[in-house]
Amino acid sequence: AQSVTQLDSHVSVSEGTPVLLRCNYSSSYSPSLFWYVQHPNKGLQLLLKYTSAATLVKGINGFEAEFKKSETSFHLTKPSAHMSDAAEYFCVVSDQTGANNLFFGTGTRLTVIP
Amino acid sequence: EADIYQTPRYLVIGTGKKITLECSQTMGHDKMYWYQQDPGMELHLIHYSYGVNSTEKGDLSSESTVSRIRTEHFPLTLESARPSHTSQYLCASSEWDTIYNEQFFGPGTRLTVL
Repeated sequence: AQSVTQLDSHVSVSEGTPVLLRCNYSSSYSPSLFWYVQHPNKGLQLLLKYTSAATLVKGINGFEAEFKKSETSFHLTKPSAHMSDAAEYFCVVSDQTGANNLFFGTGTRLTVIP
Repeated sequence: EADIYQTPRYLVIGTGKKITLECSQTMGHDKMYWYQQDPGMELHLIHYSYGVNSTEKGDLSSESTVSRIRTEHFPLTLESARPSHTSQYLCASSEWDTIYNEQFFGPGTRLTVL
């Protein structure tokens, strides 16, 4: 069975400071992992994805995530937060069986303080 | 321009009415999905389709039904809306022959049943 746990429902950072959004996964297979972002009144957008290649994955808007198998983690980071980063972030694991469906975490709301 | 569209964006309707939420994509994707998302919660898969004439139920039970008569179109229908159906409904699509399973999401339909 596949699942993800997002350890923080809400993270608040000051503009210009680092961002860390935590995610742990559980998977019976070698997982494919994703981070999606959802801005208010907009559709979900893919930030980055891990598919068993390089463990450090770079995404859009300066975000990156590191796959750590020993810790079953896939935390999302950004060196310097921008006001436009305020949004809901979802950690997602892919079902690697035939259906290849996605399982979403409960989300982390990121607030950026000016 | 390749994209995925959902209409209506917002719908307020009385109990007992029949409604259809529209979803269309211009990317030629074989797989399409419907998710339900309550405010501040994760997405739950309620329906998906591998292609024309294929429909499958997702991991969250839903009273809605779907059809896939054309590749680009994946409408969701509620025969008799109830207040418990109030939620946001997100449509997505992806290529079939990829292990990466990146999904592209529409902007969503926010449904309120009075």
